[in-house]
Formats: sequence, C-alpha cells, structure tokens
Amino acid sequence: ETGVTQSPTHLIKTRGQQVTLRCSSQSGHNTVSWYQQALGQGPQFIFQYYREEENGRGNFPPRFSGLQFPNYSSELNVNALELDDSALYLCASSGGTGVISYNEQFFGPGTRLTVL
Amino acid sequence: AQSVSQHNHHVILSEAASLELGCNYSYGGTVNLFWYVQYPGQHLQLLLKYFSGDPLVKGIKGFEAEFIKSKFSFNLRKPSVQWSDTAEYFCAVSSNFGNEKLTFGTGTRLTIIP
Repeated sequence: ETGVTQSPTHLIKTRGQQVTLRCSSQSGHNTVSWYQQALGQGPQFIFQYYREEENGRGNFPPRFSGLQFPNYSSELNVNALELDDSALYLCASSGGTGVISYNEQFFGPGTRLTVL
Repeated sequence: AQSVSQHNHHVILSEAASLELGCNYSYGGTVNLFWYVQYPGQHLQLLLKYFSGDPLVKGIKGFEAEFIKSKFSFNLRKPSVQWSDTAEYFCAVSSNFGNEKLTFGTGTRLTIIP
C-alpha cells in the first residue's frame, strides 16, 4: 500500500507568482484535503475534494484553488503569491470501503513553500 | 465553528517522567477526536483517535487519551516518556460526519531531556 506523496518537496517563489503543488492519495482513498501549516502553528484547512468536486472550504481567498483528477490525485494552485503564503502545505487523503475509515486522514510529507 | 485549544505550548520533561498534554475543544455536535504527532523532519502521524465507545483510547507507542465529554477535553497521557518522544503534538477535532475537515490546535512542543 502506497502512502500519500507530495511534490515538490521544497519550492521558492517570488511575490506575485503562481504555484502548483501536487498530491497523490493513498491507494483506495477517494478524498483529498489540503492544509496550510505556518511556522509554529497547527495545520489550517484550505479545502477538500471528494470524487473530483470541492467538498468544503476553509477561510482562504479564491486565489487558492484546486483540482482532483479521476485517479483521485490532486493539485493545489495559488495565484498572486504573497509573503504570508510561505508555509508547509500538507495533503491528506481519506476514504475507503469502511465507515470508520471515512473519518481518518493520512498525511503526506508536505511541500515547503517560501515566498520572497 | 469548531475550535481546539492546547494550553501547553512547550513542555520539557526528563526521561521516565509522566506526561499529560491538555486539549479542549469547542463544538456543538458529536465529534471525532485525534492526536497527531510530528517528529522532527517527519510528516504528521496519527497517534490515536476517538470516534465512539470507551472514552479511554489507547494509541501507538504507549500513549493514551481520555475523552471527557462534560469537560470538552481529550488529554493525552503517557506514564513514562522516552527521549524519542521529542516532537510536536497536535490535537484535532472533526464533526461526526464522513470526510469532514480537521480543526487543529496550535500544537505542543515536547522536549525530553535524557
């Protein structure tokens, strides 16, 4: 069973640029959630995708957008980068065939984004 | 809206000491409760979870947590810590419906002195 993978590991961008982060969900999972973890803080929910549709969104502006593909992998896009977007971006997958598993999220290693 | 409070920001203990990390949540409905751990340089890993049933939950590496509904608390405990327990610990809550978002606390940094 392959776990959640994310790419790239690290990324440096300048203010105003756009960035795309990628996530491959764990085998058998149909839901992907994205979180932003600023330094010294807990992860904050950005949005969730379930079967290619957005299924809930946190308090993030529209310049944060996403996609989920038929194989349940996902992308997070951030436009017009700001300095405060510097953070660790975490992807988590969930879902499966059992009821209990629908509430447990498995996290990837994250992408460290630095905006200069 | 859900919220999670972790009042201990940084805890320093000697090896073999007992550990208790506090977690309080605010939510009007039925919740699922989690403790995640983030070891230095590693990704978030689930320590233990509570969905329903016995309020005393046992997790990996000797950790346990007790759900006290009347106090809206889910404190993490370990009777005897090891140097390898040095990490950041996050309490999280989700509503009791499938695929709901996790709301995390700000985390507690645990440092174990050999």
